[in-house]
Amino acid sequence: GQQVMQIPQYQHVQEGEDFTTYCNSSTTLSNIQWYKQRPGGHPVFLIQLVKSGEVKKQKRLTFQFGEAKKNSSLHITATQTTDVGTYFCAGRESGGSYIPTFGRGTSLIVHP
Amino acid sequence: DVKVTQSSRYLVKRTGEKVFLECVQDMDHENMFWYRQDPGLGLRLIYFSYDVKMKEKGDIPEGYSVSREKKERFSLILESASTNQTSMYLCASSFIRQGSNQPQHFGDGTRLSIL
Repeated sequence: GQQVMQIPQYQHVQEGEDFTTYCNSSTTLSNIQWYKQRPGGHPVFLIQLVKSGEVKKQKRLTFQFGEAKKNSSLHITATQTTDVGTYFCAGRESGGSYIPTFGRGTSLIVHP
Repeated sequence: DVKVTQSSRYLVKRTGEKVFLECVQDMDHENMFWYRQDPGLGLRLIYFSYDVKMKEKGDIPEGYSVSREKKERFSLILESASTNQTSMYLCASSFIRQGSNQPQHFGDGTRLSIL
């Protein structure tokens, strides 16, 4: 079945440093979603990417969808302590079930 | 704003008990989901439902069943609880759109401990 790999599992950064998490699928995706889960909270939807090569920005967050629609990345510029949490990607297989498969998440720890 | 409400934040049960986890959403969403979340394993789909009385197995359905008698309510049932079912359980809901999956809205989760 479809697999969605997400790396790294953990990332420690100093406040102000940049951060990137990567999501790779074994199959072509029709779209990919990104979620953030704060410590003690629940996942909250951030964004959905649909088009090949798509790039979207939300303030300091930049989301990219690969040209082959098999990978995606989330980049945070100049991290802040409010960015702490676990970031999940969720990819829907092209031509497959409309239910997306979640990656295992990347936990971001920001040191002040 | 979408509200997904899970009946309990924390729950402690004993091995062999039948356990019910309840989830209610107030946005008339067609889809509802149950996940379990374990450290390092992310979100794993147990069951989902796309309509009343309809259900589909997810990736890890063994030891679980579900019930959806009303559109707004989706229940997860542990038929005979075991210690390896100790976990955080998350309920989610979403709309159905033709040919597209929509963002999922999650509840706060139920941390279930089986002793």
